[in-house]
Amino acid sequence: GAVVSQHPSRVICKSGTSVKIECRSLDFQATTMFWYRQFPKQSLMLMATSNEGSKATYEQGVEKDKFLINHASLTLSTLTVTSAHPEDSSFYICSARPGLGNTEAFFGQGTRLTVV
Amino acid sequence: KQEVTQIPAALSVPEGENLVLNCSFTDSAIYNLQWFRQDPGKGLTSLLLIQSSQREQTSGRLNASLDKSSGRSTLYIAASQPGDSATYLCAVWISNFGNEKLTFGTGTRLTIIP
Repeated sequence: GAVVSQHPSRVICKSGTSVKIECRSLDFQATTMFWYRQFPKQSLMLMATSNEGSKATYEQGVEKDKFLINHASLTLSTLTVTSAHPEDSSFYICSARPGLGNTEAFFGQGTRLTVV
Repeated sequence: KQEVTQIPAALSVPEGENLVLNCSFTDSAIYNLQWFRQDPGKGLTSLLLIQSSQREQTSGRLNASLDKSSGRSTLYIAASQPGDSATYLCAVWISNFGNEKLTFGTGTRLTIIP
């Protein structure tokens, strides 16, 4: 299957600082990428849909000024957690699709964010 | 609102047995269904994608079925191995005003006992 690379895999930051997470599609172009958040022993919750060259679409309840998403190219989307707080500590996962319709979604390896 | 439920939440079976994981969804207006596995602390690995016009897909020891009218899908794992131990997630693709997205189930944590 196609490969999606997510970096970093783990990050620890201090409260009030910002953290950037990168999601890259390595062997395909992705017009759409998705960002999810996963709490311990729970399923994935969609945060936002990132579209190349346009603004991201955020799910209800997700603060767009806190979780900044940039999809600058067909192979790269970034999620920046601004002014991080301990409650932002979570597992963040991105995914990408080669196209619309009947194509699969491929996922990165996730980023464990810990805010201290 | 689409809700996806997986039963059971956890399952332990001896190595070598065949097993079935269940997934149900409340809104039949889906166009794809995808099964994933997730190892602890890791991302998701896509296992099978079933298009809405299909009733099943097979990959190796895995077979997934889809019954849209009843809102159900099953993942059948034959001759289970310890390496199959993981959390299995089903997810349905929905389209809302042209925006396509996945809604995930609650997951089944599978343990294969050597």
